[in-house]
Amino acid sequence: EAQVTQNPRYLITVTGKKLTVTCSQNMNHEYMSWYRQDPGLGLRQIYYSMNVEVTDKGDVPEGYKVSRKEKRNFPLILESPSPNQTSLYFCASSFKNTEAFFGQGTRLTVV
Amino acid sequence: SQQGEEDPQALSIQEGENATMNCSYKTSINNLQWYRQNSGRGLVHLILIRSNEREKHSGRLRVTLDTSKKSSSLLITASRAADTASYFCATASITGNQFYFGTGTSLTVIP
Repeated sequence: EAQVTQNPRYLITVTGKKLTVTCSQNMNHEYMSWYRQDPGLGLRQIYYSMNVEVTDKGDVPEGYKVSRKEKRNFPLILESPSPNQTSLYFCASSFKNTEAFFGQGTRLTVV
Repeated sequence: SQQGEEDPQALSIQEGENATMNCSYKTSINNLQWYRQNSGRGLVHLILIRSNEREKHSGRLRVTLDTSKKSSSLLITASRAADTASYFCATASITGNQFYFGTGTSLTVIP
């Protein structure tokens, strides 16, 4: 089954404790991206990757890192999480300029 | 911010009626896509319309695109209770690298 898998689905952490949210896709898509969703703001792109070892900043990259060592994986790293990074996070993948497939989301709370 | 806007923010209709949502965006695009989201879950792709297309149909969905006005509309005909969800438009930049989502329309279809 074609899918984008994010883990964990829910995460509560403390300020400053490094965390990684994993994202994996099985559709051989070149393009992968991360979004955060906040009430009233819709989805905002954090980082995207056009292919292996190619990443670039989206609209709201501050406080986040990504890596793309393999085509199927695109982890999101928060080196020092802060409460303003409490949000619902989505990973998505696609071929360029085609429909995107989204993961089920990761609800992150930073206290 | 390059984020688009959707109108209305919320829409409540009776089952069987048509629902129309509008999306405005700010920059030139490669394509525009519509997505559906059920209550904090992952987004599901509905339809993609390219910048050189003016109208597209898929089942009960009809999408129009007016690039001169930088706007799009999504029409859902003969709505069903199961159509209750949030609907988002997303624009792909000319290069196809970046995506900008609208703030969404919350649709409630009353049985």
